[in-house]
Amino acid sequence: GENVEQHPSTLSVQEGDSAVIKCTYSDSASNYFPWYKQELGKRPQLIIDIRSNVGEKKDQRIAVTLNKTAKHFSLHITETQPEDSAVYFCAASTRGTYKYIFGTGTRLKVLA
Amino acid sequence: NAGVTQTPKFQVLKTGQSMTLQCAQDMNHNSMYWYRQDPGMGLRLIYYSASEGTTDKGEVPNGYNVSRLNKREFSLRLESAAPSQTSVYFCASSVGSGGWNEQFFGPGTRLTVL
Repeated sequence: GENVEQHPSTLSVQEGDSAVIKCTYSDSASNYFPWYKQELGKRPQLIIDIRSNVGEKKDQRIAVTLNKTAKHFSLHITETQPEDSAVYFCAASTRGTYKYIFGTGTRLKVLA
Repeated sequence: NAGVTQTPKFQVLKTGQSMTLQCAQDMNHNSMYWYRQDPGMGLRLIYYSASEGTTDKGEVPNGYNVSRLNKREFSLRLESAAPSQTSVYFCASSVGSGGWNEQFFGPGTRLTVL
């Protein structure tokens, strides 16, 4: 079946360093790739998304890259800050459907 | 706007008891979803409703039923709770196809089945 693999499961970085989280998807029809941030005890919230007609998208310190040939996409956070500490989920889905397939999450810890 | 709201926030049930989780959204979204979140397993779709009057199974529908009461409300029912249903449950909504649009999540319901 469809699945999304996410790595690493935990990631610790020093404040100011960059963090990279990688996801690989199995369904070649997938064309929408959102990233959600979930702080402890809170709801998941969208931080950035990319559609398959672009290879990269940036929003301030956050960027996402997509390689459709290899079926993987990555989240890049630069100049990390303590408030970036959270669990990050990638997901893949297909236009016209209603299902996100989520990765298993990455717990990011930014050490001050 | 309150966005997506859920009740209750916490619930403890005994095995075999039933309960209904309530969800409402005030964003005039067409599509609504129920997920469960378990440690190390991400979010898994239980049921979804593409539009008022329709519901469909997701990845893990066994043991659950849903009702799309109207455009705003989507409830999840556990008829006979089991310990395996201990989880955090999130409701979400999207303006159109959730496969192409942001899904907005509610605050979650933490359910424990003893």
